[in-house]
Amino acid sequence: DTAVSQTPKYLVTQMGNDKSIKCEQNLGHDTMYWYKQDSKKFLKIMFSYNNKELIINETVPNRFSPKSPDKAHLNLHINSLELGDSAVYFCASSQRGQGAWEKLFFGSGTQLSVL
Amino acid sequence: AQSVAQPEDQVNVAEGNPLTVKCTYSVSGNPYLFWYVQYPNRGLQFLLKYITGDNLVKGSYGFEAEFNKSQTSFHLKKPSALVSDSALYFCAVSARYSNDYKLSFGAGTTVTVRA
Repeated sequence: DTAVSQTPKYLVTQMGNDKSIKCEQNLGHDTMYWYKQDSKKFLKIMFSYNNKELIINETVPNRFSPKSPDKAHLNLHINSLELGDSAVYFCASSQRGQGAWEKLFFGSGTQLSVL
Repeated sequence: AQSVAQPEDQVNVAEGNPLTVKCTYSVSGNPYLFWYVQYPNRGLQFLLKYITGDNLVKGSYGFEAEFNKSQTSFHLKKPSALVSDSALYFCAVSARYSNDYKLSFGAGTTVTVRA
């Protein structure tokens, strides 16, 4: 029944490793997002995809690569993990057709700890 | 650039007392404003939004927000706070970004309601 689900919930890894976070939404939404929440709880958008097309790509290192196999899935792959990548990553989705006032539905987050 | 500011990091109130969480915005054009709430170890949940029309917007869990154009504010309010309202609250603004819109969040305000 979960609307936006992301896995894993916790991810502990060593510096230099490559890891992926998966996200799926069953709401039939057109648009999906990745947000990063740092240790001070500040939220910043990383990417957005609409119908598998990249729309927003903020100033994120190219070690981060989103992949959208279909409009219900948006995965985040991170290469060569660094200590500063430690954060909580949230996936979200929305119905783009509503324009500027669309509301976002968030997953429960993936807490990434890089050691 | 579009942005929102939440001047208080923390708000503490006693149960049963009124709760106000402050937000000011800076946008060019029409503001589309939102409030989201984040409970511990959870993703964000939509509370309410202002698009146009009535300046007093009612949302989930008994919350409401007042849009004030002259003061560029969008404060969140609840007449009688509950202990279960203790959470992290985010104000957000939707702004034009390329051919799409981007939701930008404030830094968040931690609300603690004591019994």
